[in-house]
Amino acid sequence: KQEVTQIPAALSVPEGENLVLNCSFTDSAIYNLQWFRQDPGKGLTSLLLIQSSQREQTSGRLNASLDKSSGRSTLYIAASQPGDSATYLCAVDGQAGTALIFGKGTTLSVSS
Amino acid sequence: DAGITQSPRYKITETGRQVTLMCHQTWSHSYMFWYRQDLGHGLRLIYYSAAADITDKGEVPDGYVVSRSKTENFPLTLESATRSQTSVYFCASATRVSGSYEQYFGPGTRLTVT
Repeated sequence: KQEVTQIPAALSVPEGENLVLNCSFTDSAIYNLQWFRQDPGKGLTSLLLIQSSQREQTSGRLNASLDKSSGRSTLYIAASQPGDSATYLCAVDGQAGTALIFGKGTTLSVSS
Repeated sequence: DAGITQSPRYKITETGRQVTLMCHQTWSHSYMFWYRQDLGHGLRLIYYSAAADITDKGEVPDGYVVSRSKTENFPLTLESATRSQTSVYFCASATRVSGSYEQYFGPGTRLTVT
């Protein structure tokens, strides 16, 4: 059974710092890995999707990498801002189009 | 409104009552999903649908019923609500992007069963 783990569970950093969020999964037979952001009391916003054949994806200050063979992904946030404060969720799917299996998230707090 | 919407956004009901949560998407995505989010468990799949009239169980389907007569709608029914079904429910839809499926989530329904 696929399990997704995110470390750390919570992270506090000062504004401007570069940071890395980690995600690991137990079964390397995935199609995609998707990173989401969730603000308190809100839904999930898709940040980046990495297909299993890809190594990384970038969007603005965000860069996500995927090492499928080792079952790891990282989300790099450059020059963090208070507006980046949220919970970041990592999810994988075992078959194209089927359900995502989520980690429990990393709650990020960026102080000004 | 374009996108994926859920209604109601908040609902309080009593144990034993039937409750239906609605989900509507305007993109004509083939796949739709229902998840629940609970502290300590994260998001877990309840049911999903690959197309109209095709549904399948997820990780935690007991006590829930779904239907999908139209591509754009995917209602979730709690047949006889229990306190353990107090949760935040998210609907999602997925579209094919360069050979993969990217999921998009609705704003959620916060359900309290008393």
